[in-house]
Amino acid sequence: ILNVEQSPQSLHVQEGDSTNFTCSFPSSNFYALHWYRWETAKSPEALFVMTLNGDEKKKGRISATLNTKEGYSYLYIKGSQPEDSATYLCASPSRNQGGKLIFGQGTELSVKP
Amino acid sequence: DGGITQSPKYLFRKEGQNVTLSCEQNLNHDAMYWYRQDPGQGLRLIYYSQIVNDFQKGDIAEGYSVSREKKESFPLTVTSAQKNPTAFYLCASSIETGTTYEQYFGPGTRLTVT
Repeated sequence: ILNVEQSPQSLHVQEGDSTNFTCSFPSSNFYALHWYRWETAKSPEALFVMTLNGDEKKKGRISATLNTKEGYSYLYIKGSQPEDSATYLCASPSRNQGGKLIFGQGTELSVKP
Repeated sequence: DGGITQSPKYLFRKEGQNVTLSCEQNLNHDAMYWYRQDPGQGLRLIYYSQIVNDFQKGDIAEGYSVSREKKESFPLTVTSAQKNPTAFYLCASSIETGTTYEQYFGPGTRLTVT
């Protein structure tokens, strides 16, 4: 069974701080790694889809790296803003099961002004 | 606008009643999914469907039922057999991109059973 873990479970930072959190997944049979941003009362929004070892993706102040050999991905937020407050989810698809995603439990980020 | 709609946003039911949550998509996606989220936990898969008239149990299917009679629709029934039905329910659909499946989510339904 594919097991995806995220840490920390929650994070409280001040506006302007940079932060990062981790997603770990089984390195064998790696297929892809998805990051989502989920604000309260909204739908989860896709941030990145990562497929290659060493991949690095960036969207504004948010970036992510991928290490498929050791089974982890980091999400970085540079200069956190209050609007970055959300739950960040990572997920890995289960191969040959029609896109079924296995989600981590999420990291809840709170940025105080 | 293409997307996924879920209705209603909030739903209240008394214990012992079955309740059906609606999910509709106009993205022409083949696969659809139902997830449940509880405080402090990630999204857990209830049921998924890869094509019309076919669906599979996810990790926590007990007490739930689904149907997939149309490509656009994937309703979820929370039956009285579900022991802890109060939760936030998310519907999603996905499309294969060649390297992976990209999932798109609806806005969710918060179900409260008392």
